[in-house]
Amino acid sequence: DAGVTQSPTHLIKTRGQQVTLRCSPKSGHDTVSWYQQALGQGPQFIFQYYEEEERQRGNFPDRFSGHQFPNYSSELNVNALLLGDSALYLCASSLPGVGNEQYFGPGTRLTVT
Amino acid sequence: QQQVKQSPQSLIVQKGGISIINCAYENTAFDYFPWYQQFPGKGPALLIAIRPDVSEKKEGRFTISFNKSAKQFSLHIMDSQPGDSATYFCAASRVSGGTSYGKLTFGQGTILTVHP
Repeated sequence: DAGVTQSPTHLIKTRGQQVTLRCSPKSGHDTVSWYQQALGQGPQFIFQYYEEEERQRGNFPDRFSGHQFPNYSSELNVNALLLGDSALYLCASSLPGVGNEQYFGPGTRLTVT
Repeated sequence: QQQVKQSPQSLIVQKGGISIINCAYENTAFDYFPWYQQFPGKGPALLIAIRPDVSEKKEGRFTISFNKSAKQFSLHIMDSQPGDSATYFCAASRVSGGTSYGKLTFGQGTILTVHP
């Protein structure tokens, strides 16, 4: 049973550029959440997708957007990259109503120069 | 009201000892409290979780103690091993309805080092 997978593993971008990160949820899961983890900090909630719609959003600017596909996979897009966007981006999948057990992928390390 | 405060920031324990990490929350609407373990370069892995209708939950060497009136919960790792050396995060969320559903609010993390 494959767990949550994310691609790419690492990414280096320049300020002002745009980036797309991808996530495939754990088999059987239909809800995907995205988190940003700065070095030495706990993950911060960006948003959650369910039934191809953004169901909940954290305190992140509109430069952060996402999408969920019919197969439950998801993308995170960040426009106009800033140096402060450098972080580990984590995707978590879950089944709603099952105690909110969220299972995380290995993350994508984004470096903005 | 959404904060979760975790302590200590770092912890050093001898092999075979007990590791204790504490968390406090503010939002009384939280009703799901998981602990995650994260190794360098990896994503957080769900260790154990508790709902507020019980005061303690044990899974192997890991135990969560929960004090609803104090709005505190803690992770105890019994017989700590060098392989337990990792960063531990507590988190909280609201499962049962409301607009907070699904969002995990994390503590700042505790770096645990277990010496052989």
